[in-house]
Amino acid sequence: GAVVSQHPSRVICKSGTSVKIECRSLDFQATTMFWYRQFPKQSLMLMATSNEGSKATYEQGVEKDKFLINHASLTLSTLTVTSAHPEDSSFYICSARELREGRYEQYFGPGTRLTVT
Amino acid sequence: TQLLEQSPQFLSIQEGENLTVYCNSSSVFSSLQWYRQEPGEGPVLLVTVVTGGEVKKLKRLTFQFGDARKDSSLHITAAQPGDTGLYLCAGALGRRGSTLGRLYFGRGTQLTVWP
Repeated sequence: GAVVSQHPSRVICKSGTSVKIECRSLDFQATTMFWYRQFPKQSLMLMATSNEGSKATYEQGVEKDKFLINHASLTLSTLTVTSAHPEDSSFYICSARELREGRYEQYFGPGTRLTVT
Repeated sequence: TQLLEQSPQFLSIQEGENLTVYCNSSSVFSSLQWYRQEPGEGPVLLVTVVTGGEVKKLKRLTFQFGDARKDSSLHITAAQPGDTGLYLCAGALGRRGSTLGRLYFGRGTQLTVWP
């Protein structure tokens, strides 16, 4: 089946620093990847849609200059949290879209736990 | 407002009981997915339904897509502690049978099954 990986699985950083999270589709190519944020016991909140070779589409209320997304290849998208603050602490999850049996399916990575101190 | 209303939000039951989780919307979806998520992990796809009235079974789990493709349900028979987790429904708008863009998630149902 389709496998999506994320790295790192957890990261602790100091306030004001930047953190990069990688999302890779391991056994398929993904022209589109999605970045989500999730708070404890809550559903996923879409932050942005990442398209290979073009600019990401951000959801309303998500600062594009703070959450930089780069989708440089068909198997890799990165999310960089710039000048991180404690309120950015969260569980970040990516997903990648695969065309399967004539229909797109989304497969999720294992998530990255970010803690900003 | 939430495009997909999922209920109940929390469910705490004893092993062996049956349960149903509902997802409802006023919008028509081209497909609807159900996911299960455990703490600290990403959601795992359980099933995708695309045809109105479709019923899919996965062992003790039965998924149904409404005739009008606006609602869906997940029924678990004889729940077990291993079923504990966050269940999420997610729908895709767009061409029938195609997930062209983003998924719209319900708020999730936190299920706890006690031994």
